[in-house]
Amino acid sequence: AQTVTQSQPEMSVQEAETVTLSCTYDTSESDYYLFWYKQPPSRQMILVIRQEAYKQQNATENRFSVNFQKAAKSFSLKISDSQLGDAAMYFCAFSGNTPLVFGKGTRLSVIA
Amino acid sequence: SAVISQKPSRDICQRGTSLTIQCQVDSQVTMMFWYRQQPGQSLTLIATANQGSEATYESGFVIDKFPISRPNLTFSTLTVSNMSPEDSSIYLCSALAGQGARETQYFGPGTRLLVL
Repeated sequence: AQTVTQSQPEMSVQEAETVTLSCTYDTSESDYYLFWYKQPPSRQMILVIRQEAYKQQNATENRFSVNFQKAAKSFSLKISDSQLGDAAMYFCAFSGNTPLVFGKGTRLSVIA
Repeated sequence: SAVISQKPSRDICQRGTSLTIQCQVDSQVTMMFWYRQQPGQSLTLIATANQGSEATYESGFVIDKFPISRPNLTFSTLTVSNMSPEDSSIYLCSALAGQGARETQYFGPGTRLLVL
């Protein structure tokens, strides 16, 4: 079974600074996808970024980028130029031949 | 992408009663899922809602407690039966949309359930 581990229950960042959220996973599959979802207080799950395992190039979406290390099974999220609206729970998720499996989440606070 | 709506958005129920949550997707999708998010926790998959056949339940979830319907490719319901306070959670509907490598799971806004 796949597992996803987020070792940082809480993180904080100053507005306009950069923060990195960690995620590791365990799987025996070779073809899979990794995701970061954001859940603000409204509780709506919002897709932030996705990475295909077969792609070596790290995914980027505006201020959000990932550092995907397949051999280490690591998938961290970097948020640049942090904004107040980035404050939320961030969940790392894995998808292979099964529906999404989520980590426990990291609560990100942004300090003005 | 897919836009997913859920009804009700929240409810307060008495123990022993049942509540049916509806999920509507704005496009036809092959796979729909139901997740539970207990207070302060991550999302746990309850079941995959299969169109035209019985849902596939994850370990720890059973059909008698969480019956699911999937009458077509855009709609599903989840019933929480014989509720107890331990069922107080957010229930989220999800659908797999997109083509090939762009397939992604999208989520509804969730139904916040409080059982007294």
